[in-house]
Amino acid sequence: SSELTQDPAVSVALGQTVRITCQGDSLRNYYANWYQQKPGQAPIIVIYGETNRPSGIPDRFSGSSSENTASLTITGAQAEDEADYYCNSRDSSGLYWVFGGGTKLTVL
Amino acid sequence: EAQLVESGGSLVKPGGSLRLSCVASGFTFSSSSMNWVRQAPGKGLEWVSYISSSSSYIYYEDSVKGRFTISRDNAKNSLYLQMNSLRVEDTAVYYCARETTVTTYDQYYYMDVWGKGTTVTVSS
Repeated sequence: SSELTQDPAVSVALGQTVRITCQGDSLRNYYANWYQQKPGQAPIIVIYGETNRPSGIPDRFSGSSSENTASLTITGAQAEDEADYYCNSRDSSGLYWVFGGGTKLTVL
Repeated sequence: EAQLVESGGSLVKPGGSLRLSCVASGFTFSSSSMNWVRQAPGKGLEWVSYISSSSSYIYYEDSVKGRFTISRDNAKNSLYLQMNSLRVEDTAVYYCARETTVTTYDQYYYMDVWGKGTTVTVSS
């Protein structure tokens, strides 16, 4: 299996831009997805296939990727964006899913 | 609206067994691949198992291989996880999640519908 590595915690001032990153060898071959999870709630998808935003997700959320690193950017962070964010992709075999350890985003 | 509702979680002793269920509604369950994902208290998400729409393909995370069995009944719109030889470290909220495929310039796979989860506690 593969590992996806995320910073445990990131903070951003209200209205500013924040980037959350995810590193892993499998990201060279497979797309990253990003999930947002608020306390006591199930995760929701915010970015799939590296750069695609599902309907209903605000356009301040965007995704990108380079080499072995995927990034989730929130441009103009809002108070309601405070949550845990998880990256997700396939492992090196392409069969199994793997999640990053999660990044706790605090909006100051 | 697509919905998933899990049930079956409870307190069980180490070495015991439990069967989780997930009932789907609002979408064509028989055409959907499904996953179980768990989250230990205060920890991150961990993928547990996958089953394709016709049960032809089944995969497990290494730590549950040989102990957990995923299955489905498309006639009942239901997904199951049979958990045997439970360990303290299996304590978690267990989510079922639909896996969807979007094809535009490429094929993208992700989990787009999640249940609220069911809690499994393994403790003596």
